[in-house]
Amino acid sequence: AVQLVESGGGLVQPKESLKISCAASGFTFSNAAMYWVRQAPGKGLEWVARIRTKPNNYATYYADSVKGRFTISRDDSKSMVYLQMDNLKTEDTAMYYCTAGPYFDYWGQGVMVTVSS
Amino acid sequence: DVVMTQTPVSLSVAIGQPASISCKSSQSLVGTSGKTYLNWLLQRPGQSPKRLIYLVSKLDSGIPDRFSGSGSETDFTLKISRVEADDLGVYYCLQGTHFPHTFGAGTKLELK
Repeated sequence: AVQLVESGGGLVQPKESLKISCAASGFTFSNAAMYWVRQAPGKGLEWVARIRTKPNNYATYYADSVKGRFTISRDDSKSMVYLQMDNLKTEDTAMYYCTAGPYFDYWGQGVMVTVSS
Repeated sequence: DVVMTQTPVSLSVAIGQPASISCKSSQSLVGTSGKTYLNWLLQRPGQSPKRLIYLVSKLDSGIPDRFSGSGSETDFTLKISRVEADDLGVYYCLQGTHFPHTFGAGTKLELK
């Protein structure tokens, strides 16, 4: 069965950094585009970032709200995708979901990131 | 950015009755490949989202055929032919054609 398991969330102060991870299994990870999507408490869903596959040069794309502060990366040898979040703001507080493509096929259970002083 | 306008915001439906949700995009969702990357997701209370439909009308494995998706270009619809108790939650449309990918604001389906 397909599994996406996020980890690494927690409470951080504004301007600090945090790296969250997603462990994938049950599908051919190296062939799948990977995404991060977030959901602020009580709000809707917001796409955050995407990373393509090796044949597509691991191209990355970001929402304007996180561009220059967040970095998505992947390690195909470990079936892992990461989101490095720098210069965090209070408005980054959200549940962060890892999803696998090409059409947002599978979703993890999410990891909570809280940015507060 | 492509704006996804989803209506209604909430829907109260009795068991066994049909339901319909509309999603309109501010520009065509037909990609350069000719495919239309429009998905429908369901987020049940306390759970992560789950995809129901992709490429406008393709049902995911395990999704009952009570669900159907239709539409083209900028106008899309999710229909449930007979609502069941397990269908309650928030439905989102999601476009994957243009960057940034964008979601509708959601439609909360409640049971009457």
